[in-house]
Amino acid sequence: QSVLTQPPSVSAAPGQKVTISCSGSYSNIEENYVFWYQRLPGNAPRLLIYDNTKRPSGIPDRFSASKSGTSATLDITGLQTGDEADYYCGTWDSSLSGGVFGGGTRLTVL
Amino acid sequence: EVQLLESGGGLVQPGGSLRLSCVASGLSLRSSAMNWVRQAPGKGLEWVSLITGGDSRTYYAESVRGRFTISRDSALTTLYLEMDSLRADDTATYFCAKGVFMPYLVGVTYRYYHELDVWGRGTTVTVSS
Repeated sequence: QSVLTQPPSVSAAPGQKVTISCSGSYSNIEENYVFWYQRLPGNAPRLLIYDNTKRPSGIPDRFSASKSGTSATLDITGLQTGDEADYYCGTWDSSLSGGVFGGGTRLTVL
Repeated sequence: EVQLLESGGGLVQPGGSLRLSCVASGLSLRSSAMNWVRQAPGKGLEWVSLITGGDSRTYYAESVRGRFTISRDSALTTLYLEMDSLRADDTATYFCAKGVFMPYLVGVTYRYYHELDVWGRGTTVTVSS
């Protein structure tokens, strides 16, 4: 059971938009910065979003994120087949004194 | 370019020990927070441990505390994870990840910035008799 809650899967057609939610609590999402990670099949995970909303260089602006209270969301617009991957939210939990991840969301581009 | 390469995985019996290594190229581990993260078959990512840059403070997930030890070598090029009393539920691919860990004070409360910005490809540990 993950500390952060994500939907197990989402799907949409190419060109469409999906939103992936990440729900937590005060001691993790609300208090601390949220990050999003993408794991393409057969690849190492990579940082997709940092500081709640910012994109590292090389990440297209089709990827955006937000945070409000104890929840965070990742939006992906203009879906491409190459976006098919597992997406994870992550942050620090002040009460646990450790890192925490969501259970991951598998994106399927139909 | 920063690269991380894990090694040391393999098959080990329950109760046994294993040491994982992560060699870093393109950076010194002195200034970087280094993490171990694992992914069990069919499961999501699970953060395992962190060693901070500079003061080398260590943190562990509850599931491994007292059994696993994170460390760096004195040359600051290799990260280790010493795993003892291994159990079947430790079976996973183990990734090392470089990042940033920064506590900061907001009023009277500490908040935390915990980013994992470069990951290795992982090494697989199987605990089975």
